[in-house]
Amino acid sequence: DAGVIQSPRHEVTEMGQEVTLRCKPISGHNSLFWYRQTMMRGLELLIYFNNNVPIDDSGMPEDRFSAKMPNASFSTLKIQPSEPRDSAVYFCAVPSGSSYNEQFFGPGTRLTVL
Amino acid sequence: GENVEQHPSTLSVQEGDSAVIKCTYSDSASNYFPWYKQELGKGPQLIIDIRSNVGEKKDQRIAVTLNKTAKHFSLHITETQPEDSAVYFCAPKRGPGAGNMLTFGGGTRLMVKP
Repeated sequence: DAGVIQSPRHEVTEMGQEVTLRCKPISGHNSLFWYRQTMMRGLELLIYFNNNVPIDDSGMPEDRFSAKMPNASFSTLKIQPSEPRDSAVYFCAVPSGSSYNEQFFGPGTRLTVL
Repeated sequence: GENVEQHPSTLSVQEGDSAVIKCTYSDSASNYFPWYKQELGKGPQLIIDIRSNVGEKKDQRIAVTLNKTAKHFSLHITETQPEDSAVYFCAPKRGPGAGNMLTFGGGTRLMVKP
């Protein structure tokens, strides 16, 4: 059963601080996606992992963003240093369905950078 | 890359009326066509999908129709209810498997007035 836990659910921080967002697929998945959602840019794919290895990180905005997936049950997205324009809702998602076409999204982390 | 557009961007209907949202895409290799529903404070969730070998699929009050020649597919909601109020995204994709990315449209905000 696909299920995803994200933490924290809300994060407020000041510009320049390091932020770490966490994603925990309940069943364990070798593939995982990180998305960012804003009013201006909609839902953007940041990075895709397969077999715990980053396959496509072309959506990562800049070097301030980094992501890791040390095992099938855990991934992190780190922003260092954070900037106000990073304020968004960040989602992680895992493949689901018989052909892995579907993506099951977590509840998201709302990040506010002051 | 895939260019995906949704119309309209907002849609307001009276409870009980029908709602139709259209998605156009550019990649002729796309062969999987899902619709996601995002309720306030939650991640997008798959509500219906269709593959390129089928022209229409129904699931109770929702249906998806596909015109592969014209490269567009539509979401139809009949007998709308207040709980249908949400943002809806189309996300066409090439091929099976997690490695082919979903490309999300800009979203359509549906408001169902009681």
